[in-house]
Amino acid sequence: TQLLEQSPQFLSIQEGENLTVYCNSSSVFSSLQWYRQEPGEGPVLLVTVVTGGEVKKLKRLTFQFGDARKDSSLHITAAQPGDTGLYLCAGEGYGNKLVFGAGTILRVKS
Amino acid sequence: GAVVSQHPSWVICKSGTSVKIECRSLDFQATTMFWYRQFPKQSLMLMATSNEGSKATYEQGVEKDKFLINHASLTLSTLTVTSAHPEDSSFYICSADGFTDTQYFGPGTRLTVL
Repeated sequence: TQLLEQSPQFLSIQEGENLTVYCNSSSVFSSLQWYRQEPGEGPVLLVTVVTGGEVKKLKRLTFQFGDARKDSSLHITAAQPGDTGLYLCAGEGYGNKLVFGAGTILRVKS
Repeated sequence: GAVVSQHPSWVICKSGTSVKIECRSLDFQATTMFWYRQFPKQSLMLMATSNEGSKATYEQGVEKDKFLINHASLTLSTLTVTSAHPEDSSFYICSADGFTDTQYFGPGTRLTVL
């Protein structure tokens, strides 16, 4: 069974601070996605990383895929209240199924 | 592009009744659709994989007779919660997998069973 461990589960920070969310696994994934979800809505895809060692930037968000394609991180610089939400990592496993991490609830206070 | 809709967005029903939730890919054909369940402040749990024209594949612990899935066309999959009970109350989300192997998620359906 492929598992993704995501940490931290909860994060409450002040506006302007930086933060990093981690996803780790003992399994190799062909790709890894990061999603953001608002309450009562479906997850919205932020980025897909495919190549080991890949780094992608989306404005203040930086995504990294580990060299061995077993782990990934999401770094947010100068967090803003609008970044508040549930962040989910998901690895593409067997049969194109997505294996989701437990999620990180981020709250950015102004 | 790649829009997935769900209907209804929310539903309240009495215990013992059945509820059908539709998942549609609006601008692409989905060879595979996935159904997830999500409890408050938790992650998504895959319930089943639905392939057009064939039987759905259920994850371990998911009752196939309780959660009936039909994928009659390349743009529509339905999930029917039969004889719903309060413990079935949850947020149900579908995703559709296009030919690019990217899953696009629907907006979810909030089910409340009284």
